[in-house]
Amino acid sequence: DTEVTQTPKHLVMGMTNKKSLKCEQHMGHRAMYWYKQKAKKPPELMFVYSYEKLSINESVPSRFSPECPNSSLLNLHLHALQPEDSALYLCASSHRENNEQFFGPGTRLTVL
Amino acid sequence: RKEVEQDPGPFNVPEGATVAFNCTYSNSASQSFFWYRQDCRKEPKLLMSVYSSGNEDGRFTAQLNRASQYISLLIRDSKLSDSATYLCVVTPTGNQFYFGTGTSLTVIP
Repeated sequence: DTEVTQTPKHLVMGMTNKKSLKCEQHMGHRAMYWYKQKAKKPPELMFVYSYEKLSINESVPSRFSPECPNSSLLNLHLHALQPEDSALYLCASSHRENNEQFFGPGTRLTVL
Repeated sequence: RKEVEQDPGPFNVPEGATVAFNCTYSNSASQSFFWYRQDCRKEPKLLMSVYSSGNEDGRFTAQLNRASQYISLLIRDSKLSDSATYLCVVTPTGNQFYFGTGTSLTVIP
């Protein structure tokens, strides 16, 4: 299995909703990442988990809360989002630090 | 100064042409370098890693110049299917991945 899966593919939520994005990989990778990508912009790193521990938080607002339940799973919990948070949220994994990252197909999020 | 600078293009080239993209990076201690390709509304896909000695994969050649702090990607014999956005990635340390802004390529029949 050489892929990263993400659910849901699309998500529409109101500003008062709570939702979660899910990411899974079975490649034995020990680093997992969340990125946010706006249209015509490159991905922006949000969080990095290395060996299931949060190693990087790129000053992301607290309305985004990551969780790594085990080495294969990565969640992003969303609460009280703003319309400007609408974007493509990409999950990626890599074998270890500095290795090539493999991306999931992303969740396209719209906040109304 | 940005970690990674990349010419956004767009590059519009005829089929069969050779096209080259460059990225410059600011941190001389950067350790790993990659080129990714991203199609419209899709995720980035790894195209190739960039090694100090340079590396080639079919029609694609990647080069690293540490002295001048840039990486390059050369595409020979362009195909219509090469049309995409090409993103360079630099890792200064650990798990930090910095993307360039991306270069848009359109190959014209």
